[in-house]
Amino acid sequence: DSGVTQTPKHLITATGQRVTLRCSPRSGDLSVYWYQQSLDQGLQFLIQYYNGEERAKGNILERFSAQQFPDLHSELNLSSLELGDSALYFCASSVAMVGGSQETQYFGPGTRLLVL
Amino acid sequence: EDQVTQSPEALRLQEGESSSLNCSYTVSGLRGLFWYRQDPGKGPEFLFTLYSAGEEKEKERLKATLTKKESFLHITAPKPEDSATYLCAVQGRGSQGNLIFGKGTKLSVKP
Repeated sequence: DSGVTQTPKHLITATGQRVTLRCSPRSGDLSVYWYQQSLDQGLQFLIQYYNGEERAKGNILERFSAQQFPDLHSELNLSSLELGDSALYFCASSVAMVGGSQETQYFGPGTRLLVL
Repeated sequence: EDQVTQSPEALRLQEGESSSLNCSYTVSGLRGLFWYRQDPGKGPEFLFTLYSAGEEKEKERLKATLTKKESFLHITAPKPEDSATYLCAVQGRGSQGNLIFGKGTKLSVKP
């Protein structure tokens, strides 16, 4: 158990809908990362938050957005869903010391999204 | 552009048959190279972090090594429970901490 929690575990929805995925980082970790894992693309970085502020963006679609709340949990919002958005979505957290020293990311169990 | 290539894509071993997995990388200034293990439908589980060429780390039957261009994950006398996908990732100096992952090596160990 990494200490990172994600809900829900599974999500089935229809095209055009909007869903919210939730992540609680490990106790003491300030940085949260979101990744998407599909069969053909592997793990792809989406977005990073540090202590409530966006730090970096990867290959995140404009239909996707995220935020990190004062209690440090994070939500990933996916809207206007398409069939191709079906994937595993992982959240990871790290201590992320100020100054950007090397940091290990611990991953949650993921949310499996199926868009029908 | 930072890039990670893992080989082979899949590896089948007999129990006790030692082997190595390869991770080749190109990155503009390596901050860290990470190895993870992932079981089907689960999140990646952290194994090792390597920071500089020549560094080695061990954990049970696994040993990770790092050169300036690649990393190896050596598996000594594997057991069926070592079956999983092993992921390699790099963190470059140009990033804010996000990881660039390879596509992984799927290891199967038969009894």
